[in-house]
Amino acid sequence: AQKVTQAQTEISVVEKEDVTLDCVYETRDTTYYLFWYKQPPSGELVFLIRRNSFDEQNEISGRYSWNFQKSTSSFNFTITASQVVDSAVYFCALRHNTDKLIFGTGTRLQVFP
Amino acid sequence: DTGVSQDPRHKITKRGQNVTFRCDPISEHNRLYWYRQTLGQGPEFLTYFQNEAQLEKSRLLSDRFSAERPKGSFSTLEIQRTEQGDSAMYLCASSPRTGAGNTEAFFGQGTRLTVV
Repeated sequence: AQKVTQAQTEISVVEKEDVTLDCVYETRDTTYYLFWYKQPPSGELVFLIRRNSFDEQNEISGRYSWNFQKSTSSFNFTITASQVVDSAVYFCALRHNTDKLIFGTGTRLQVFP
Repeated sequence: DTGVSQDPRHKITKRGQNVTFRCDPISEHNRLYWYRQTLGQGPEFLTYFQNEAQLEKSRLLSDRFSAERPKGSFSTLEIQRTEQGDSAMYLCASSPRTGAGNTEAFFGQGTRLTVV
């Protein structure tokens, strides 16, 4: 079965703190894709990153970084020096050959000034 | 093109009424997806189209739900005889199909349905 678990329901931090959002996935497929999306209060899901199962290289984009570890089936997301505008719900998702996305339940991040 | 567009943004309906939502994907995208999101949960897949062909339907899509994409452009999702349990955010997404599957889906802002 394919499944995505985001154990952290809600995280609160103060601006400028670093925060890591955890994502653990389950799949039997050898080829799959992992995603992170951000959902601000407006409701639209904003794409952040895609990673395929053959590429375990970590990625950094500005204040965002992602740590993909196949050995632990994890794809964690770190925001460095968080800002109030980072407040949103963040979803990790898995996609395999059927093309549909399987989402976790999301982590609500609140960044306080 | 400014992205995936959904209409209406909000819909309140009485139980038992029919409702229809529209989704306009990004113009060059041939894949279109519908998802449903309830409060506190992640989006759940409902169905998707490649051009005008409906390729997969979730078991969540009961007989009361029907989706179409008649000309391979916009899509409609109709719910007949709405029930309170249908209250949710309905999200549409589109993606280009390159053959490798390694493309992201771009989402619209959703239609929030409230059944009273």
